Amino acid sequence: AQKITQTQPGMFVQEKEAVTLDCTYDTSDPSYGLFWYKQPSSGEMIFLIYQGSYDQQNATEGRYSLNFQKARKSANLVISASQLGDSAMYFCAMGSWQFYFGTGTSLTVIP
Amino acid sequence: KAGVTQTPRYLIKTRGQQVTLSCSPISGHRSVSWYQQTPGQGLQFLFEYFSETQRNKGNFPGRFSGRQFSNSRSEMNVSTLELGDSALYLCASSLTGTGSTDTQYFGPGTRLTVL
Repeated sequence: AQKITQTQPGMFVQEKEAVTLDCTYDTSDPSYGLFWYKQPSSGEMIFLIYQGSYDQQNATEGRYSLNFQKARKSANLVISASQLGDSAMYFCAMGSWQFYFGTGTSLTVIP
Repeated sequence: KAGVTQTPRYLIKTRGQQVTLSCSPISGHRSVSWYQQTPGQGLQFLFEYFSETQRNKGNFPGRFSGRQFSNSRSEMNVSTLELGDSALYLCASSLTGTGSTDTQYFGPGTRLTVL
């Protein structure tokens, strides 16, 4: 069975600090993709970063990086230099023959 | 390139009515997926369409249906609305729907309230 687990329902971070949002997954498929999305209070899901299961290097997109540890089946999102606008829900997702989403982590950036 | 668009953005219906939601994918994208998001159940997959064919289906009753047109635009229909159908309905498009390599891009959602 496919499964995505986000164990942190809520996180707080000081502005300009870095924060790590945890995500673990479970799959028996050799080929899969790992994704992170941001959902502000407006509701729209915004794609942040992608990591393929065969990628050797961790993905980075600006202030976002994905810490991919295949053996541990974890795909944590690291946001560097947090900004007030980063306050939102963050969802980890895994894609194989279907997309599976975690339950999300609510991030609040404190000024 | 224009993003995924969904209409209407907000909808209020009463129990027993039916509703149709529309989604226009990013130009060139052939896969459209629908999700229901509620505070209690989180994000749940409804179905995915590719080239006018339903390719995957989630665990929802038959009251939930969808279709895709030749221009890749998609509609979903919910018949005999129940209070529990109140949710944010999100549409996502991707080039081919290959989950391992193909990013899904989401629309702004349709917020449905059933009274």
